[in-house]
Amino acid sequence: DIQMTQSPSSVSASAGDRVTITCRASQNIRTYLNWYQQKSGKAPEVLMYAASTLQSGVPSRFSGSGSGTDFTLTITSLQPEDFATYYCQQSYTSPWTFGQGTKVEIK
Amino acid sequence: QVQLQQWGAGLLKPSETLSLTCAVYGGSFSGYYWSWIRQSPGKGLEWIGEITHSGSTNYNPSLKSRITISVDASNKQFSLKVNSVTAADTAVYYCARGNHFTGWKEWDYWGQGTLVSVSS
Repeated sequence: DIQMTQSPSSVSASAGDRVTITCRASQNIRTYLNWYQQKSGKAPEVLMYAASTLQSGVPSRFSGSGSGTDFTLTITSLQPEDFATYYCQQSYTSPWTFGQGTKVEIK
Repeated sequence: QVQLQQWGAGLLKPSETLSLTCAVYGGSFSGYYWSWIRQSPGKGLEWIGEITHSGSTNYNPSLKSRITISVDASNKQFSLKVNSVTAADTAVYYCARGNHFTGWKEWDYWGQGTLVSVSS
């Protein structure tokens, strides 16, 4: 199985801050990397696919980059509704696997 | 607007069978991969398996011996069965639509989640 490792596990930030989350795959997954946002008690929602393509309706303050094994999700100017847990997920090889999540908390 | 609505028993005893069903409202049922994903505090998000409208399945090898995913395309529903459950199967279970039309097979619509607890 491809292991997905996110860092940090949690980050404390204030509204308006820039936050960067890293995701590393245990092998080359090209750009088969998706990002999800999950708010407490809700199902995850897709933010981005193909490492950097925003899902329809997702604000442009979210951006993604990377290919191969190293990827980043950046949130510029954090908004109150962005406090949530973020997961990366590889769709290169079955079984599809997720990172362990990064919780973005209010400082 | 696509909606996924899921249901099933939430409290099971060890060795019983977990059974969940997900109904799809709106949108096409064909052409997508219909998945089950679970989330537990200990293991995070774990993909269980998927099925197409025609019944082709793909299972996570870690669970393959105990799971069955089936489809009722005429009613736009798909189901999950997990045999011989243990406490380790306690999790929130989600159904989700896998969209491969983008080429990246992201899960773009999710059910509301069902908490399944296994306890004697």
